[in-house]
Amino acid sequence: GENVEQHPSTLSVQEGDSAVIKCTYSDSASNYFPWYKQELGKGPQLIIDIRSNVGEKKDQRIAVTLNKTAKHFSLHITETQPEDSAVYFCALRSANQAGTALIFGKGTTLSVSS
Amino acid sequence: NAGVTQTPKFQVLKTGQSMTLQCAQDMNHNSMYWYRQDPGMGLRLIYYSASEGTTDKGEVPNGYNVSRLNKREFSLRLESAAPSQTSVYFCASSEWAYNEQFFGPGTRLTVL
Repeated sequence: GENVEQHPSTLSVQEGDSAVIKCTYSDSASNYFPWYKQELGKGPQLIIDIRSNVGEKKDQRIAVTLNKTAKHFSLHITETQPEDSAVYFCALRSANQAGTALIFGKGTTLSVSS
Repeated sequence: NAGVTQTPKFQVLKTGQSMTLQCAQDMNHNSMYWYRQDPGMGLRLIYYSASEGTTDKGEVPNGYNVSRLNKREFSLRLESAAPSQTSVYFCASSEWAYNEQFFGPGTRLTVL
């Protein structure tokens, strides 16, 4: 089945710096790409998503970019703050999959130090 | 609105015991999901219910059964727990199958 590779697995930045997390995939029929933030002891929460007919989407300090040709999508967080510290998961949904399952990457632990 | 709720929050079982994890949502969503999360892994889909009255297997269904009790509730049953089922279990729901998924707080299960 489809696989999503997420890098890096851990990322440490200083407050105010930018953070970038990248995911690559192989199924060209993938058409929906959400990003989830999971804080300690909580369930994942959707922070931004993008569909395959869009190349970039922004929401305040967060942006997602999609390169369909290269089959990768990235999460960009600018002006990082300590409260951005969490585990971030990329995910995707493919039109080739039976049902509507999301396939998740293995996660990136982001640490923002002040 | 409470969103997606799960009970219990924590559970310890012995190998071979059975239990049911409960999930309920108050958002009038049609689709519901069960995932498991293991250290260093992403979330993997166990079962899902695209709409009331239907259930389908996900990526890792072996050792589990589900019941879509009604539109609000979707339960996950372990008939004979094994140590390999030690994990954190998340329930999620979405308005329809292709919409945003909302997750519950999780159930941390340990099988000894």
